[in-house]
Amino acid sequence: QQQVKQSPQSLIVQKGGISIINCAYENTAFDYFPWYQQFPGKGPALLIAIRPDVSEKKEGRFTISFNKSAKQFSLHIMDSQPGDSATYFCAATSGGSYIPTFGRGTSLIVHP
Amino acid sequence: DAGVTQSPTHLIKTRGQQVTLRCSPKSGHDTVSWYQQALGQGPQFIFQYYEEEERQRGNFPDRFSGHQFPNYSSELNVNALLLGDSALYLCASSSPGHPDTEAFFGQGTRLTVV
Repeated sequence: QQQVKQSPQSLIVQKGGISIINCAYENTAFDYFPWYQQFPGKGPALLIAIRPDVSEKKEGRFTISFNKSAKQFSLHIMDSQPGDSATYFCAATSGGSYIPTFGRGTSLIVHP
Repeated sequence: DAGVTQSPTHLIKTRGQQVTLRCSPKSGHDTVSWYQQALGQGPQFIFQYYEEEERQRGNFPDRFSGHQFPNYSSELNVNALLLGDSALYLCASSSPGHPDTEAFFGQGTRLTVV
């Protein structure tokens, strides 16, 4: 059972465009929603995270939008750059366990 | 700060063999978690060690076992390897005693079972 569903599986955008990745969760006990970025041959690295008491969090070109009632959250990458090409994972944790439940990942390719 | 370090980076084993993977946590972290990442999938939680005890475990068989040492480093052991155990094994360290910390991942060990 996939507790965190992520889409799309792959995404191709042009340089300067907006990349949007969507996730949905089922477990209402989740209370922390991080996004990880993974480059080939590397482990995932925390990109940005949000708690459900806010609807949006922005850090530079990266924004998380959170809809608690719909149990959905999304990552927006503004002005996408070729260096953003990577696999992105949404995740969710509960109870301060810091044991993320990951989505299946989105492979993002940004063309120059 | 070297971050989370894992060894070896790559490993090839034969079906039925046993393997040991190693992890040194980020400085200041006392908790180590292990994940299995199959090709094209997100990481799946195997177990977490804190104070040399297995604190939580994911849905993995007993063939997967671990250990944490007094210096907080950890080992993942897999017995009776199956072809399906081929994956990237990730170690993550954290420090739950500190609020708002997060898990830092190592670069992983790529295990291939032939």
